Amino acid sequence: ILNVEQSPQSLHVQEGDSTNFTCSFPSSNFYALHWYRWETAKSPEALFVMTLNGDEKKKGRISATLNTKEGYSYLYIKGSQPEDSATYLCAFVGGTSYGKLTFGQGTILTVHP
Amino acid sequence: DAGVTQSPTHLIKTRGQQVTLRCSPKSGHDTVSWYQQALGQGPQFIFQYYEEEERQRGNFPDRFSGHQFPNYSSELNVNALLLGDSALYLCASSLAARGGGETQYFGPGTRLLVL
Repeated sequence: ILNVEQSPQSLHVQEGDSTNFTCSFPSSNFYALHWYRWETAKSPEALFVMTLNGDEKKKGRISATLNTKEGYSYLYIKGSQPEDSATYLCAFVGGTSYGKLTFGQGTILTVHP
Repeated sequence: DAGVTQSPTHLIKTRGQQVTLRCSPKSGHDTVSWYQQALGQGPQFIFQYYEEEERQRGNFPDRFSGHQFPNYSSELNVNALLLGDSALYLCASSLAARGGGETQYFGPGTRLLVL
């Protein structure tokens, strides 16, 4: 059974703070790591797909890094805004899984004005 | 582009009944995956359809079955509903050719409540 863990489970920050959270995944048979943002009552929104060790991706104030050798990825949000409040999910794809996403339990981010 | 659509949005059933959920993929996508999200957990993979065949299956009993139509839309059927089947059911579409490195686009989900 694949184990994808995210920490922390929840996070409360003030507007303007920078924050980061972690996704841990198996370091063997790696194919890709996906990050999603999921706002309440909306569809999960794809943020990044990362495939190479050392990958760094950026989208506005959000960036992510990937270390496949040790099995972790970090998601960073710079200068958090209330609209960043959401659940952030990572999902692991193994080498033989045709794109089957194995999700972590998510990190719930709340940004207070 | 309408994106991924799912119907119905909400559904209430009683134990033992059967339910069918529907998904229309994003335009141009040929692969549909279904996920179940129980409260407090991340989505769990149920199965994936490509070329009208089930290509991969997660750890779900045979009560969960599906279908993909020639226009790539898909159905998820659950028989003999149990209370534990109450969850949000998500559909995601993608392009098969690019495999696991391809972004999967999710619909808004169908919330199923089993009483």
